[in-house]
Amino acid sequence: DTEVTQTPKHLVMGMTNKKSLKCEQHMGHRAMYWYKQKAKKPPELMFVYSYEKLSINESVRSRFSPECPNSSLLNLHLHALQPEDSALYLCASSQVNGEKLFFGSGTQLSVL
Amino acid sequence: AQTVTQSQPEMSVQEAETVTLSCTYDTSENNYYLFWYKQPPSRQMILVIRQEAYKQQNATENRFSVNFQKAAKSFSLKISDSQLGDTAMYFCAPIQGAQKLVFGQGTRLTINP
Repeated sequence: DTEVTQTPKHLVMGMTNKKSLKCEQHMGHRAMYWYKQKAKKPPELMFVYSYEKLSINESVRSRFSPECPNSSLLNLHLHALQPEDSALYLCASSQVNGEKLFFGSGTQLSVL
Repeated sequence: AQTVTQSQPEMSVQEAETVTLSCTYDTSENNYYLFWYKQPPSRQMILVIRQEAYKQQNATENRFSVNFQKAAKSFSLKISDSQLGDTAMYFCAPIQGAQKLVFGQGTRLTINP
């Protein structure tokens, strides 16, 4: 199994809602990543987890809260988002040395 | 902060032609990985090819090859015998330190029939 699975594929939420994005992999990777991609822009790194511990936080606003409950799962909890947070959110995983990242197909988020 | 420059925002070639996408980057690391990822209209990020900086030999993967010039910090991608399915956004991405993959702005490549 060489897949990274993200759910949901599409999400529409209001600014007062709380929602979560989920990511799962079964490749035995111990590093997992969240990227944000706006239309016609490259992905931007948000968070990196290494051995289930947060190792990189790219100064992301607190309305985004990552969680890594175990080595296969990565969540991104969303609260009080703004319309400018609308984007494609990509999850990825890799061996800890970052040799090669495998990406999920993303969650397209729209904030109304 | 690491910078990655892809100087060609858009390129267009005919099917079966060869095309080269350029990339330059800045890093203070000595050992690192470099990647080319493609993103077709489906928006799935797909690894095209990987180069290890300590290896002098340029990486090849079927029709895809790189020209890696470490001193010049240049990492170009050559696509031979281009196919319609190669139409996508191509991102150059060096990895800095532990796990920090940074993407260039991308080159939109169109293969015309």
